Amino acid sequence: AQSVTQLDSHVSVSEGTPVLLRCNYSSSYSPSLFWYVQHPNKGLQLLLKYTSAATLVKGINGFEAEFKKSETSFHLTKPSAHMSDAAEYFCVVSDQYNAGGTSYGKLTFGQGTILTVHP
Amino acid sequence: EAQVTQNPRYLITVTGKKLTVTCSQNMNHEYMSWYRQDPGLGLRQIYYSMNVEVTDKGDVPEGYKVSRKEKRNFPLILESPSPNQTSLYFCASSLSHTYNEQFFGPGTRLTVL
Repeated sequence: AQSVTQLDSHVSVSEGTPVLLRCNYSSSYSPSLFWYVQHPNKGLQLLLKYTSAATLVKGINGFEAEFKKSETSFHLTKPSAHMSDAAEYFCVVSDQYNAGGTSYGKLTFGQGTILTVHP
Repeated sequence: EAQVTQNPRYLITVTGKKLTVTCSQNMNHEYMSWYRQDPGLGLRQIYYSMNVEVTDKGDVPEGYKVSRKEKRNFPLILESPSPNQTSLYFCASSLSHTYNEQFFGPGTRLTVL
């Protein structure tokens, strides 16, 4: 069974300092991995995705994540935080399996990390 | 405009009164999914559908039903709602589940009294 653990429920940084949001996963297969962001009272927006191509993935708004299979991690980073980055971030793993000739896919979200950015 | 729509956006109901939350997408996506979002628990998948007539349980399917008779629609049915189903619900769709971005609806806030 697949699972996702976001190691920090809250992260607080000062504007202009680096951001690190940690995500570990477990998967029986070769997963796809995603990071989504949710601003207050808004829907979810894709930041970036890993789909077995380059292990360092660049996303929108200066975010990037590195897939490390040996560590089963997919941490999200940004060199310099901006006030507008304050939001909740979700790490997501997607597995695919076959049963009875049909392909199924299940997505599992982490519990979320709330990022606070101080002036 | 490419979008996922959900209706209603807000609903207050009473225990045991059957309800349906509709979800529709206009992007010809194969994969559709329902999630509930609760504080501290992130989003948990309720049911998903790989394509028309193909559905499967997610992590928290108890108390919910779905159907996928048409590609664009994926309604969520609560036959007998209970207070523990009070939550924020999101519908999402994507071309497929593995490589493609999921597009989320605006959410439905459900309160069961």
